[in-house]
Amino acid sequence: SQKIEQNSEALNIQEGKTATLTCNYTNYSPAYLQWYRQDPGRGPVFLLLIRENEKEKRKERLKVTFDTTLKQSLFHITASQPADSATYLCALRRSGGGADGLTFGKGTHLIIQP
Amino acid sequence: DTGVSQDPRHKITKRGQNVTFRCDPISEHNRLYWYRQTLGQGPEFLTYFQNEAQLEKSRLLSDRFSAERPKGSFSTLEIQRTEQGDSAMYLCASSRPGSRTHNEQFFGPGTRLTVL
Repeated sequence: SQKIEQNSEALNIQEGKTATLTCNYTNYSPAYLQWYRQDPGRGPVFLLLIRENEKEKRKERLKVTFDTTLKQSLFHITASQPADSATYLCALRRSGGGADGLTFGKGTHLIIQP
Repeated sequence: DTGVSQDPRHKITKRGQNVTFRCDPISEHNRLYWYRQTLGQGPEFLTYFQNEAQLEKSRLLSDRFSAERPKGSFSTLEIQRTEQGDSAMYLCASSRPGSRTHNEQFFGPGTRLTVL
């Protein structure tokens, strides 16, 4: 069955350092992969999308890599700030003809300590 | 605010009662999605609409669940004969038309359902 795995334990990073989050998937051949941020009690907010033919994507302090051979995406936040503390979700488009909704990982809770 | 809105934000009900939630997507978005999220989990896909057509339903969507989008604008999700296992956050999302921009989904704040 299709699975998305994210490190479910909280990740504690000191302010100013780079935070790196991992998303691994199995039994997928996704055309693209997305990252979302979710704050407590709120809906997810889209951050970045990377396509299967892209190795790397950047947006301000965020960088995403996508290795379809390893079936892995890495999400980096450079110069991290306490305001970056949140849960970060990896998502893939559900496979199958006509499918369009996303399958999400459980998310990684990131804590940036001042 | 022109984002996705959901109503109500919180709903407490007794087991066996019916509940209905509403989602208003961003106005020019033709795709609308429903997800369910429980504590410590990512959102799980339930169903989606393109305009008024319901194109796919997850196996998670039991016979007690029904969703509609009658005029291709707002959508409702109804749960009949609620069970305690239905307690969750119900999230609605919408996306823009266009082959490349369909991919980003805009989520609403969710409706938190508690079944006693």
